Amino acid sequence: DAGITQSPRHKVTETGTPVTLRCHQTENHRYMYWYRQDPGHGLRLIHYSYGVKDTDKGEVSDGYSVSRSKTEDFLLTLESATSSQTSVYFCAISDRDRGVNEQFFGPGTRLTVL
Amino acid sequence: AQKVTQAQTEISVVEKEDVTLDCVYETRDTTYYLFWYKQPPSGELVFLIRRNSFDEQNEISGRYSWNFQKSTSSFNFTITASQVVDSAVYFCALMRSGGSNYKLTFGKGTLLTVNP
Repeated sequence: DAGITQSPRHKVTETGTPVTLRCHQTENHRYMYWYRQDPGHGLRLIHYSYGVKDTDKGEVSDGYSVSRSKTEDFLLTLESATSSQTSVYFCAISDRDRGVNEQFFGPGTRLTVL
Repeated sequence: AQKVTQAQTEISVVEKEDVTLDCVYETRDTTYYLFWYKQPPSGELVFLIRRNSFDEQNEISGRYSWNFQKSTSSFNFTITASQVVDSAVYFCALMRSGGSNYKLTFGKGTLLTVNP
């Protein structure tokens, strides 16, 4: 199994509060991704990173920011959480530098915004 | 634009039956990758297979087999002699092979329930 952990695994917060989710990998892969999973939508890409301090937006990036100061950590921040951001968030990594295109996913974080 | 359609929202079978999960994709790219992932009730996403667009060979892995047909833009997944442990949501996904867009475009998933 790829060494990917996410923290916290569960979080309940209130509308308007800031929230940061952490993804940590031990594989030293350059590429990391944040997805959200919602019923009826499958998984959708929020942001991705292709190296330290190199990030870009995905298809549902509004209301989210990311940071990557170390290879092993990719943080997802909701500056002011809204109820529409209630979701399950998955982090993924891939070893594209070696031509491995499949993405391996962390265990997920279930976020509830009240 | 890329799109993946999994028309079967839910499938229910009895153990030992064969079952095929359909996946149809749309892309303007000439080279791309296709994937299948499994999400069991515990919630994690498990990678099953990757197929390159230039490789139309079908693949078999134990009870699992995949049929890739570029002419019909389909990448179907068959489970032979299904087991209760196969119960999960299965996702088909598509990725461009070049450029800087590395995102996986997922279908909405098919919930497979295998009853004893």
